[in-house]
Amino acid sequence: DVKVTQSSRYLVKRTGEKVFLECVQDMDHENMFWYRQDPGLGLRLIYFSYDVKMKEKGDIPEGYSVSREKKERFSLILESASTNQTSMYLCASIGTTYEQYFGPGTRLTVT
Amino acid sequence: QKEVEQNSGPLSVPEGAIASLNCTYSDRVSQSFFWYRQYSGKSPELIMSIYSNGDKEDGRFTAQLNKASQYVSLLIRDSQPSDSATYLCAVNRNTGFQKLVFGTGTRLLVSP
Repeated sequence: DVKVTQSSRYLVKRTGEKVFLECVQDMDHENMFWYRQDPGLGLRLIYFSYDVKMKEKGDIPEGYSVSREKKERFSLILESASTNQTSMYLCASIGTTYEQYFGPGTRLTVT
Repeated sequence: QKEVEQNSGPLSVPEGAIASLNCTYSDRVSQSFFWYRQYSGKSPELIMSIYSNGDKEDGRFTAQLNKASQYVSLLIRDSQPSDSATYLCAVNRNTGFQKLVFGTGTRLLVSP
């Protein structure tokens, strides 16, 4: 079974803090993704990576950056957290048949 | 026009009935189609994939694909209260990257 894990299930941070969300997959997938999900807005793609050290902006990259130093690990960074970044953050990886698997999610609250 | 469209619902069905969830997509060259189930507060879980026209059955679930009409549907037979969730339709985006486009989901409520 594909397993995608995320470093935290719940996180509370203060405005202005730097926040790191980490994601690890164990299926040797090349492509990994970070989404946020908010009520009524569905899944919105923040960034994705198609190889080590390679990244592409998604639909809402503003206020975020990413890092992929190893194939299995993809990190999302909030350089200076703001209250409008309070959300559920979902990491995912995708296989060659386009089957995409999600991690359990991190519910981030910025106060 | 959204790339992937779903009725937000809620779709209410009684226990034991067939639930029919529909999805339309705009990109004619899409080749891969998926249904995800998402319980409240949880992450989406892949339940069905379909790649060719016709029906694909897996237990109580049947995915149906009609590429000419650009729609994909999910039938849930003998619906159970535990099927109550939001169902997301996803389609591959033809950009050269392996990437999916998701609909906003249909909320299904199965009443006992």
